[in-house]
Amino acid sequence: KAGVTQTPRYLIKTRGQQVTLSCSPISGHRSVSWYQQTPGQGLQFLFEYFSETQRNKGNFPGRFSGRQFSNSRSEMNVSTLELGDSALYLCASTLGPSGELFFGEGSRLTVL
Amino acid sequence: DQQVKQNSPSLSVQEGRISILNCDYTNSMFDYFLWYKKYPAEGPTFLISISSIKDKNEDGRFTVFLNKSAKHLSLHIVPSQPGDSAVYFCAASATSGTYKYIFGTGTRLKVLA
Repeated sequence: KAGVTQTPRYLIKTRGQQVTLSCSPISGHRSVSWYQQTPGQGLQFLFEYFSETQRNKGNFPGRFSGRQFSNSRSEMNVSTLELGDSALYLCASTLGPSGELFFGEGSRLTVL
Repeated sequence: DQQVKQNSPSLSVQEGRISILNCDYTNSMFDYFLWYKKYPAEGPTFLISISSIKDKNEDGRFTVFLNKSAKHLSLHIVPSQPGDSAVYFCAASATSGTYKYIFGTGTRLKVLA
């Protein structure tokens, strides 16, 4: 079955712009989590959605937001982009509220 | 506050020898742990997990050990192969609470042929 799909894979934005990233989980998976990966910081947890409800949120400013749709697809949005937002954004899905995370290949955002 | 720590950013091991990757955590509520492997330009892939009710879990060449009193886990790879060269992340979760995984900063393993 198809894995976790993230779009776009690569994008370049300038400071002050906003960006929307999309994630389609594995079919049947209802939980979607988002992580930011930067060199030396590992994977920083952004937020987690389960059945369209945000269950957890990491320590990121309000410029970072997300949502989940009824088909479990999820989007995350970053407004007023800063240079430090350049990172690989990873989406992961799980079948239920716990269990191993299945990751997509990520969306690499570069902010100039 | 880094709740999950991987203090060795990198590790080099000769092919055929044992690789030992370490991970420490601070939150005593964590009761489920996973290891992921990540190649460049790919998403992390699941390797092995362990619940806090166990102290060891084995899957082929990969074994994870958990020492709850020390809040420490380790991943052993025996024998190490060049294809194991990747970044390894450990992750922890408190399944009794709201569910989320906290990841360490990763250890880059290089297996030398």
